[in-house]
Amino acid sequence: SQQGEEDPQALSIQEGENATMNCSYKTSINNLQWYRQNSGRGLVHLILIRSNEREKHSGRLRVTLDTSKKSSSLLITASRAADTASYFCATDAISNTGKLIFGQGTTLQVKP
Amino acid sequence: NAGVTQTPKFQVLKTGQSMTLQCAQDMNHNSMYWYRQDPGMGLRLIYYSASEGTTDKGEVPNGYNVSRLNKREFSLRLESAAPSQTSVYFCASSEARGVGEQFFGPGTRLTVL
Repeated sequence: SQQGEEDPQALSIQEGENATMNCSYKTSINNLQWYRQNSGRGLVHLILIRSNEREKHSGRLRVTLDTSKKSSSLLITASRAADTASYFCATDAISNTGKLIFGQGTTLQVKP
Repeated sequence: NAGVTQTPKFQVLKTGQSMTLQCAQDMNHNSMYWYRQDPGMGLRLIYYSASEGTTDKGEVPNGYNVSRLNKREFSLRLESAAPSQTSVYFCASSEARGVGEQFFGPGTRLTVL
């Protein structure tokens, strides 16, 4: 069963706009990770946020984590056409350390 | 560094045939993983190897076997392929189980007729 549920499933925005994706999960975690997948390619790690962290930044990416609500969000600011990809959250559950459970992903299209 | 490499990139099998997917990493990582990805879905863990000499089942292990040949290589075998195993298979590695990010290979697209 999938630990992470992502919302929305698909998102289409104009270049320069911000994109927000959400991830909800079910069990207590060690950390939550976000990955990007370009069409036909492998996944690339974007950012990891630990359970004792609330917010983390990396370039144009901002990730928040609310462990009380068991949810996380990924914000991409000033999006570019090159950001077009699928984005997945993955949780490392305390009960299952090291075995990442992936959500179904959000497909982001950034129109030039 | 090549990172994580997988062979082959594409494969078509007939039902009942067998094949082995190869994976190698050059990052001196201890842990390696095999996932499958089906259309519109995230990745599901098939098997993993926390360290050389150990393997454990993931979420969807039925119909698969694995071998951790050495620290670099982790292979996935389909003994008798079924159409339900049509998928894209990804190998990944990490420094250690539960430590940080996983690094993914480019994937093997498998079709079973």
